[in-house]
Amino acid sequence: QLQLQESGPGLVKPSETLSLTCSVSDGSMSSSGYYWGWIRQPPGKGLEWIGSIYYSGNTFYNPSLESRVTISVDTSKKHFSLKLASVTAADTAVYYCARLAYYGDSAAYWGQGTLVTVSS
Amino acid sequence: QSALTQPPSASGSPGQSVTISCTGTGSDVGGYNYVSWYQQYPGKAPKLMIYEVSKRPSGVPDRFSGSKSGNTASLTVSGLQAEDEADYYCSSYGGSNNLLFGGGTKLTVL
Repeated sequence: QLQLQESGPGLVKPSETLSLTCSVSDGSMSSSGYYWGWIRQPPGKGLEWIGSIYYSGNTFYNPSLESRVTISVDTSKKHFSLKLASVTAADTAVYYCARLAYYGDSAAYWGQGTLVTVSS
Repeated sequence: QSALTQPPSASGSPGQSVTISCTGTGSDVGGYNYVSWYQQYPGKAPKLMIYEVSKRPSGVPDRFSGSKSGNTASLTVSGLQAEDEADYYCSSYGGSNNLLFGGGTKLTVL
């Protein structure tokens, strides 16, 4: 059973860079049938797709966040990472990593989520 | 404002059926058969309930069904049970490798 686990600081100062890593266990990251993605959920609000990465390194970002987002992958270490620059309080959210189907982007596997608070 | 429009709330009594809508445009919901539905309990990660408009992952009860007409997708929960009380989110492929979510619907079992 594939498992994903987010890790990283729970508190980030405004204007700094948020960095999270998603570790993948009990499964291969190099399957051609899936993307690896980041999705966030501000407290009490809905889900927002941040971006996705293919095992080859091809990336796709939400246009509203594209200027601040970098997603990378290291299949040998079985993890992929998110960097979000110049954060503000509006970036406070639970951040989830997930495996998305190549066709259709459905996400059958999710991490448990990690709360990142942007505050000085 | 979310890209896909869902009603904020829905409700039904045990045993009844309830349908939640998800409205987009011809560039997302109407343009592709790539609508998914997720169930989320408070403090938990979303769970995939429906993918590709009407397909159910293994283990999801057949009380949950999905459909689409034009630019609107729907999730129907039949034979409502207390455990179905949760938030439900739709998502759709939006073209150009873009993924869109609805704002979510809180389902209450009366």
